[in-house]
Amino acid sequence: KQEVTQIPAALSVPEGENLVLNCSFTDSAIYNLQWFRQDPGKGLTSLLLIQSSQREQTSGRLNASLDKSSGRSTLYIAASQPGDSATYLCAVRPITQGGSEKLVFGKGTKLTVNP
Amino acid sequence: ETGVTQTPRHLVMGMTNKKSLKCEQHLGHNAMYWYKQSAKKPLELMFVYNFKEQTENNSVPSRFSPECPNSSHLFLHLHTLQPEDSALYLCASSQIWGPGELFFGEGSRLTVL
Repeated sequence: KQEVTQIPAALSVPEGENLVLNCSFTDSAIYNLQWFRQDPGKGLTSLLLIQSSQREQTSGRLNASLDKSSGRSTLYIAASQPGDSATYLCAVRPITQGGSEKLVFGKGTKLTVNP
Repeated sequence: ETGVTQTPRHLVMGMTNKKSLKCEQHLGHNAMYWYKQSAKKPLELMFVYNFKEQTENNSVPSRFSPECPNSSHLFLHLHTLQPEDSALYLCASSQIWGPGELFFGEGSRLTVL
């Protein structure tokens, strides 16, 4: 059974710092991995999607990497800003018989960027 | 309207009420999903619809009844809920056979008294 773990559960950093959020998954048989951002009481916003054949994706100050063989992904945020404060969730789409659409989510890392 | 929209954003209901959550996607996708988000727990997939056909029911109690009249609309009918059903209910959509990127709505915050 695929499980996704995100460490740490919470992170507090000063503005301007570069930071890394971690995601690990137990089964390397995945189609893709997706990073999301969630603000309090709101829905999820897709940040980056990495296909299983890719090693990384970049969008602005965000860079996500994928090491499928070791079951790890990182989300790198450069020059953090208070507006980056949110919960960041990682999700994988397992390869399953029948092609299930099910994503498996981690519990998220709550990031606070202090001015 | 763009993206995925959900109504109502907030709902308070008694255990004997009947209510419905609505989701509409404007992205031209052909798969729609209901997720449940409770405090301190990962998102839980409830239902998946591909081309209006339900393809996954993740052992959800029958007091939750989904309906998908077309590829753009998804409903979640609620009846005789329990207080532990209080949660944020999120709708999402994606394109089958594409990159598989999932797009979410803002959610409906449900409180069962």
